[in-house]
Amino acid sequence: ILNVEQSPQSLHVQEGDSTNFTCSFPSSNFYALHWYRWETAKSPEALFVMTLNGDEKKKGRISATLNTKEGYSYLYIKGSQPEDSATYLCARYNNAGNMLTFGGGTRLMVKP
Amino acid sequence: DTAVSQTPKYLVTQMGNDKSIKCEQNLGHDTMYWYKQDSKKFLKIMFSYNNKELIINETVPNRFSPKSPDKAHLNLHINSLELGDSAVYFCASSHDRATQYFGPGTRLTVL
Repeated sequence: ILNVEQSPQSLHVQEGDSTNFTCSFPSSNFYALHWYRWETAKSPEALFVMTLNGDEKKKGRISATLNTKEGYSYLYIKGSQPEDSATYLCARYNNAGNMLTFGGGTRLMVKP
Repeated sequence: DTAVSQTPKYLVTQMGNDKSIKCEQNLGHDTMYWYKQDSKKFLKIMFSYNNKELIINETVPNRFSPKSPDKAHLNLHINSLELGDSAVYFCASSHDRATQYFGPGTRLTVL
C-alpha cells in the first residue's frame, strides 16, 4: 500500500447503531497513526495518536485499534449519535521526517 | 484564546497576483505545517517546518514558499497565483510528531 487509504468513503447509519471503519497504511518505516474528527466548516480535531502494535485507545463511545505489522487501524463508534456526524480522518507518520500523510476520510452521517 | 489562528479567513484575488496567508500558534509548539484541501476534499501536506529544518512536499510548486519570522508564526506566500490554487489552506502545529492542532482554514479564491 503506497498511500493511506480509508474505507468506506461514506457511511449512513441510524442513531443507536454501532459502526466501524478502516484505515490501511504502509507498514514499513511506521512511526505513528493519528485519527482526527472533522466536522463540516470546522477544523480537524485530534481523537487519538497510536504508535505501538496492538495499541487500543478509547474516548467515550469512540475507540481505535492499531496493527502496525499488517498496516491497518480500526475506528469504532458505539451507539452512534447525530452529533457524531463528521468526516473521520486517519493519518500516518513515517519515521523519516515530519510529514503526516492523510487518508481520504470516511464521511459518517447518523440519522436521528 | 485561539490556539492556532489564520488570517485572512477568506481571500479573493486575481490570477497573477502575489498573496500571503498568516498563521500564528500560541501553544509553544516547535513544528508548524501548511496543508491544502484539494477539490476532492483531501488534506495534502505542503510544508513541515521547525527550527531545524523545512520539509517540502515535492509536488508543491515553487511559487509557494513558507516564511517563519519566529517559532510562533509560519506564513504562506504564493506568487503568480493560478486558478488551480483556489482551495482551503489549513495551518497546523504540533510538538514534534505528536497531535496536530489545526487553524480554522483560509478559503482562497483565484479569479
